[in-house]
Amino acid sequence: SQELEQSPQSLIVQEGKNLTINCTSSKTLYGLYWYKQKYGEGLIFLMMLQKGGEEKSHEKITAKLDEKKQQSSLHITASQPSHAGIYLCGADEDETSYDKVIFGPGTSLSVIP
Amino acid sequence: GAGVSQSPSNKVTEKGKDVELRCDPISGHTALYWYRQRLGQGLEFLIYFQGNSAPDKSGLPSDRFSAERTGESVSTLTIQRTQQEDSAVYLCASSLIPGSNEQFFGPGTRLTVL
Repeated sequence: SQELEQSPQSLIVQEGKNLTINCTSSKTLYGLYWYKQKYGEGLIFLMMLQKGGEEKSHEKITAKLDEKKQQSSLHITASQPSHAGIYLCGADEDETSYDKVIFGPGTSLSVIP
Repeated sequence: GAGVSQSPSNKVTEKGKDVELRCDPISGHTALYWYRQRLGQGLEFLIYFQGNSAPDKSGLPSDRFSAERTGESVSTLTIQRTQQEDSAVYLCASSLIPGSNEQFFGPGTRLTVL
């Protein structure tokens, strides 16, 4: 079965700094999702990537899926305290997208003002 | 409502009691998921319902856990003879199939077993 790993496990950065979170799969990624979970709240969908080499941006958050479709990176530019939370990557278990999405363990981000 | 709702938002119970958690998915979403999130940990898949297909129960941790879904609407997750290790936030999500596997999450039910 597919497994997702995320690195780093946790991250503490100074406000204004850039940072990158990685998500690596043991198998080809057919659909890769990034979610954010604020402490004590629900999960919020950030973006979805499907094609190798695809890159999407939302405000100061950019995510990319590598050409081999086994790794995705999430990059935050000029981090702010509002970016703090747990970032989770999720992936379709197979290419039909009729099956369940599995999630990585998450990366906890803290931004120090 | 516009989003996924869950009830209760908080549940405190005594060890050995049964609990029932409810999820109301977004209308029209055929796929429904239950996850468990223990304190400081990631999401743990429990069970997945897709339309009229047999549910994927591969994530249920023991036979004390069961879930039902009525058609493409409400789902209930039942935990029998609760144990302290069952304490967690239980999250429900729904998604529209076919088309997108983007999951919309409910706010969760925080279960505390004393």
